Amino acid sequence: DTAVSQTPKYLVTQMGNDKSIKCEQNLGHDTMYWYKQDSKKFLKIMFSYNNKELIINETVPNRFSPKSPDKAHLNLHINSLELGDSAVYFCASSQTKLAGGSYNEQFFGPGTRLTVL
Amino acid sequence: DAKTTQPTSMDCAEGRAANLPCNHSTISGNEYVYWYRQIHSQGPQYIIHGLKNNETNEMASLIITEDRKSSTLILPHATLRDTAVYYCIVRVYSGNTPLVFGKGTRLSVIA
Repeated sequence: DTAVSQTPKYLVTQMGNDKSIKCEQNLGHDTMYWYKQDSKKFLKIMFSYNNKELIINETVPNRFSPKSPDKAHLNLHINSLELGDSAVYFCASSQTKLAGGSYNEQFFGPGTRLTVL
Repeated sequence: DAKTTQPTSMDCAEGRAANLPCNHSTISGNEYVYWYRQIHSQGPQYIIHGLKNNETNEMASLIITEDRKSSTLILPHATLRDTAVYYCIVRVYSGNTPLVFGKGTRLSVIA
């Protein structure tokens, strides 16, 4: 039972192509995120969605377009891929508030390694 | 979010306790201390979090100083599988605040 899953795990493509990465969580969480980890291993937030609504959009080029068809899915579409887009992309999810006032941590997917040639 | 400072790397002998320090001298009153780790090529994994009291779970213990300006993550009996990059993160009490990762500490557990 994978909590947060991503497809594909590896993606190799040419510059200029358009590609999508899919993320699904079966935890019933209401918030999902995309993080990017570059070649220097820095992990940085890109987007977050709460109940299918975009709530955070860091300074990410508009070639990146997240889409959340429902609370369990957050997909990332990338247009006109560039060499600098090569990275590992992690999806994560969390629940805003649990019963009793506590809240849980973010669960991360296994990552999608994107290589742009 | 407040900035944290961690050593770049540490070694620990297998079976011994690993003590990972973190400085967060500008932490605000409503900010918690979180620890995550990333084992090679995997997604980050939550370990523990706390506000001001010491916390313990099945993975680790978290010791926060009384002034809350620093903390220590303790892995009581480190194993080879604990080799990872450990991130100390300070964030507000909110279920949908994204994590702001620093460089973390690379812990190497040695047999």
